[in-house]
Amino acid sequence: ETGVTQSPTHLIKTRGQQVTLRCSSQSGHNTVSWYQQALGQGPQFIFQYYREEENGRGNFPPRFSGLQFPNYSSELNVNALELDDSALYLCASVSGTGSIRSNEQFFGPGTRLTVL
Amino acid sequence: AQSVTQLDSHVSVSEGTPVLLRCNYSSSYSPSLFWYVQHPNKGLQLLLKYTSAATLVKGINGFEAEFKKSETSFHLTKPSAHMSDAAEYFCVVTSDRGYSTLTFGKGTMLLVSP
Repeated sequence: ETGVTQSPTHLIKTRGQQVTLRCSSQSGHNTVSWYQQALGQGPQFIFQYYREEENGRGNFPPRFSGLQFPNYSSELNVNALELDDSALYLCASVSGTGSIRSNEQFFGPGTRLTVL
Repeated sequence: AQSVTQLDSHVSVSEGTPVLLRCNYSSSYSPSLFWYVQHPNKGLQLLLKYTSAATLVKGINGFEAEFKKSETSFHLTKPSAHMSDAAEYFCVVTSDRGYSTLTFGKGTMLLVSP
């Protein structure tokens, strides 16, 4: 167990709806990253938050947005859901200064999102 | 930009035989490289990491990997496979440009037969 928790574990939504996924970081970790893992693929980086500010973003549209709270927990919001958004969403926390070159990222178990 | 190519989507071995999972990387910066393992319905777990120290890196559960800059490779090996090693393995590269992101390969599924 890594100490990173995510909720919910599973979620079913319909196309066009909005969804919020939650992540609780490991104690003392001030950086959180979100990843999307489609079936049969490796995780893809969505964005990263450091001390409540987004400080890195992958190739995802603006309808993917996030928040980080003062206690370093985080949310991923996806608007106008599309069928291709069906995936496992992973969050990872790391203790760092925004540069995680050598620090280990601890992953949560993920939220499985199905869009119908 | 960085990228990772895992050369095999599936590798099958018998219990007790050696494991080799192949990975090539591309990076514009001095890379850090990782191997993660994902068991079914479990989170990703770090096996080992290379961060410009020793080129031969030892990880958990008897796994090791060798960083070869001239070949841009970071292959994962284990002398003797165990049934519990059956899982999906991801080779990962990160670079440091003010923020760091992890770029994952597509994964290699390791199958271990008795």
